[in-house]
Amino acid sequence: AQSVTQLDSHVSVSEGTPVLLRCNYSSSYSPSLFWYVQHPNKGLQLLLKYTSAATLVKGINGFEAEFKKSETSFHLTKPSAHMSDAAEYFCVVSDLGGGADGLTFGKGTHLIIQP
Amino acid sequence: DAGVIQSPRHEVTEMGQEVTLRCKPISGHDYLFWYRQTMMRGLELLIYFNNNVPIDDSGMPEDRFSAKMPNASFSTLKIQPSEPRDSAVYFCASSLGGWVSPLHFGNGTRLTVT
Repeated sequence: AQSVTQLDSHVSVSEGTPVLLRCNYSSSYSPSLFWYVQHPNKGLQLLLKYTSAATLVKGINGFEAEFKKSETSFHLTKPSAHMSDAAEYFCVVSDLGGGADGLTFGKGTHLIIQP
Repeated sequence: DAGVIQSPRHEVTEMGQEVTLRCKPISGHDYLFWYRQTMMRGLELLIYFNNNVPIDDSGMPEDRFSAKMPNASFSTLKIQPSEPRDSAVYFCASSLGGWVSPLHFGNGTRLTVT
């Protein structure tokens, strides 16, 4: 079975400062890991994806995430926050086993950007 | 590409009425997913299709919910009769290749049942 835990339900940072959104996962197989972003009244949009290639994954809008197998973590970072980054962020794990449980979403982290 | 298109964007209906939500996936995608999002339960997978065939509907809450995909470019989610607890945002998503591929979400249908 697979699971994902987003360690913070809300994160607040000032514009121009670094962003760190934390995610831990558990998986029985070699997982694929994703971060999605959801802006208000919009669907989820893929930020980045890890599928057993390079452990440091670069995504859109300056975000990146590092896969650390020993820590079972996949934290999302950005060096400098922008007001437009304010949104809900979801960490997602997918086992290669597939099936109805093939994709597990975290509960989300609400990112607040202070001016 | 216009992305995944859902209609309507908002639906307000009275308890007991039939509701039909519509989705047009991205052309060429072979998987289609219906999700429901609420504050209490987060994102829940309701059903998914592969090549227009329903693969798993174990997430459909009850017999009041049904979904169809008559062709590769159209799917519907129907609730009959609707109840206030069905109020949520319903998302359709499509992908090429299933679970390890990125999902492309529509902008959702916000359903309010009074």
